[in-house]
Amino acid sequence: ELKVEQNPLFLSMQEGKNYTIYCNYSTTSDRLYWYRQDPGKSLESLFVLLSNGAVKQEGRLMASLDTKARLSTLHITAAVHDLSATYFCAENSGGSNYKLTFGKGTLLTMNP
Amino acid sequence: GAVVSQHPSRVICKSGTSVKIECRSLDFQATTMFWYRQFPKKSLMLMATSNEGSKATYEQGVEKDKFLINHASLTLSTLTVTSAHPEDSSFYICSASGGAVPIHEQYFGPGTRLTVT
Repeated sequence: ELKVEQNPLFLSMQEGKNYTIYCNYSTTSDRLYWYRQDPGKSLESLFVLLSNGAVKQEGRLMASLDTKARLSTLHITAAVHDLSATYFCAENSGGSNYKLTFGKGTLLTMNP
Repeated sequence: GAVVSQHPSRVICKSGTSVKIECRSLDFQATTMFWYRQFPKKSLMLMATSNEGSKATYEQGVEKDKFLINHASLTLSTLTVTSAHPEDSSFYICSASGGAVPIHEQYFGPGTRLTVT
């Protein structure tokens, strides 16, 4: 059974500090995806990581993939309020239809 | 590019009625479409995968007679919730891939919030 585990599930951020979300997955897939979801909205694609050692950055977010450790990380630099959302990682199981298996999501909120 | 739309965005129906949700790929031909449901504060659960012109493949535990999926064209898939009950209330999201979209990527629709009273 495919498993994708994210941690932490909740993160209360302070403005200006750095944070990391971890995503462990159970298969030998080398395709890992990160999405953002705002309340009441659908998913917004953030990063697609397709190979071991892949690193992608967009603004204050940086994602990396270690296929040997079956681990992806999403690093947040100098958190700001606009980053408050739920972040999902998902693994692509391959096969003929490339199904995605999602983690439980990490809810990021900003401390007032 | 790679835009996916869903209609309606919100629907309220009475228990026992059927509801149809449409998923369209607007600027590419989607050979594969996926249907997910999401409960409040939960992750996405894949319900089924549909390939154009073929019967949908349902995930374990999803009732195919209750959630009818049709993928009759390369730009349209529909999900019909038959004889809806309050426990079917959820956020339904479709995604699409294929055509000019890299096969390993899925583009998500904006979602449809179904409330069954």
